[in-house]
Amino acid sequence: DGGITQSPKYLFRKEGQNVTLSCEQNLNHDAMYWYRQDPGQGLRLIYYSQIVNDFQKGDIAEGYSVSREKKESFPLTVTSAQKNPTAFYLCASSIDPGRLNTEAFFGQGTRLTVV
Amino acid sequence: AQKVTQAQTEISVVEKEDVTLDCVYETRDTTYYLFWYKQPPSGELVFLIRRNSFDEQNEISGRYSWNFQKSTSSFNFTITASQVVDSAVYFCALRSGNTGKLIFGQGTTLQVKP
Repeated sequence: DGGITQSPKYLFRKEGQNVTLSCEQNLNHDAMYWYRQDPGQGLRLIYYSQIVNDFQKGDIAEGYSVSREKKESFPLTVTSAQKNPTAFYLCASSIDPGRLNTEAFFGQGTRLTVV
Repeated sequence: AQKVTQAQTEISVVEKEDVTLDCVYETRDTTYYLFWYKQPPSGELVFLIRRNSFDEQNEISGRYSWNFQKSTSSFNFTITASQVVDSAVYFCALRSGNTGKLIFGQGTTLQVKP
């Protein structure tokens, strides 16, 4: 089945550690996105990529890094510079960033907790 | 600047009541799309509907209906005869420009009690 797979579902990180969240899609979509969800704040864009080997900062990129070496994959690294990383992280993709009328498809999310 | 506001943080209704979720947006673009998503407890966002800026026709799909009014920059969502399974967080989102970014509102948590 086509879709977006995020792993792991739950992740625990010690303070000072970097962790990487995985996002894979088999929808052949060009664009991929990472959002962070906190209670009462909706979804905020961290990074997005419109094409392989290219990505742009979103509204809250500080303390995060990404790569887009393959069309199917858009991993997110939460670095030790991110002061408050505990949140729910959602990955999404859409067929073409220029096609406004296409919806984005979302993964099931990764819940990251700092212990 | 682009912005989406969902002023209702939480709504609680009793089953079979009708409920309307409000969404107000801001954008300077003349071409844009509006979306509604549902987020059940499992966490994944489920797409419900899209509407483009040139189409102000209301839409009905089963118990769901949407009212788009450009004059008030609103795209409200009504659930008729609500059911317990409608309990979820609902997000309104805006997309415009050439980046494809979705700008989300803060979300409205709907609780439908039996």
